[in-house]
Amino acid sequence: NAGVMQNPRHLVRRRGQEARLRCSPMKGHSHVYWYRQLPEEGLKFMVYLQKENIIDESGMPKERFSAEFPKEGPSILRIQQVVRGDSAAYFCASSQGLAGSTQYFGPGTRLTVL
Amino acid sequence: AQSVTQLDSQVPVFEEAPVELRCNYSSSVSVYLFWYVQYPNQGLQLLLKYLSGSTLVESINGFEAEFNKSQTSFHLRKPSVHISDTAEYFCAVSERSGNTPLVFGKGTRLSVIA
Repeated sequence: NAGVMQNPRHLVRRRGQEARLRCSPMKGHSHVYWYRQLPEEGLKFMVYLQKENIIDESGMPKERFSAEFPKEGPSILRIQQVVRGDSAAYFCASSQGLAGSTQYFGPGTRLTVL
Repeated sequence: AQSVTQLDSQVPVFEEAPVELRCNYSSSVSVYLFWYVQYPNQGLQLLLKYLSGSTLVESINGFEAEFNKSQTSFHLRKPSVHISDTAEYFCAVSERSGNTPLVFGKGTRLSVIA
């Protein structure tokens, strides 16, 4: 019974490159959330998606960041033209979408921008 | 909007001693409450949650938390800690209405000393 899967676990990019982070939710979950964790900080919400729909992107930076959750395949968080300040751990969580239902977290992708 | 305050960023405690990790929240609407634990280089795991009913909730590994509405608190306690409890603990809330993202505190690093 696989949990939430994220890949890659570690990603190194140079400034100006693109970063693509992937998240496969738990079986039976159609709701996906992306969070960012900066050093010494808690997790900050970025975006909430259902299959083919963005439900809430209020935590997403307006530029360079985008997210999708296609009908088939994993959810993808895309960061264009990365800068050093994008270095962080990015966590994906999935749930069944019911009020109060548990969000199950993946192991995270640690992005380092050189 | 909601906010979560974890008053202690670090809590060192000797093995077999009791511990309390404090969490206070602020919200204009009713919320669900959660405690997550994060071991080094891993994702978050749900420890326990309060949805309704009894204000005292327990986890399978001896932790408990009590929801106090008047004090807007959800402190986490364990009567006797083990070395293996060393981890980062995050308190989080989400709105009761709908399936909303989690709002996290900054975390408390629990260090259990032999």
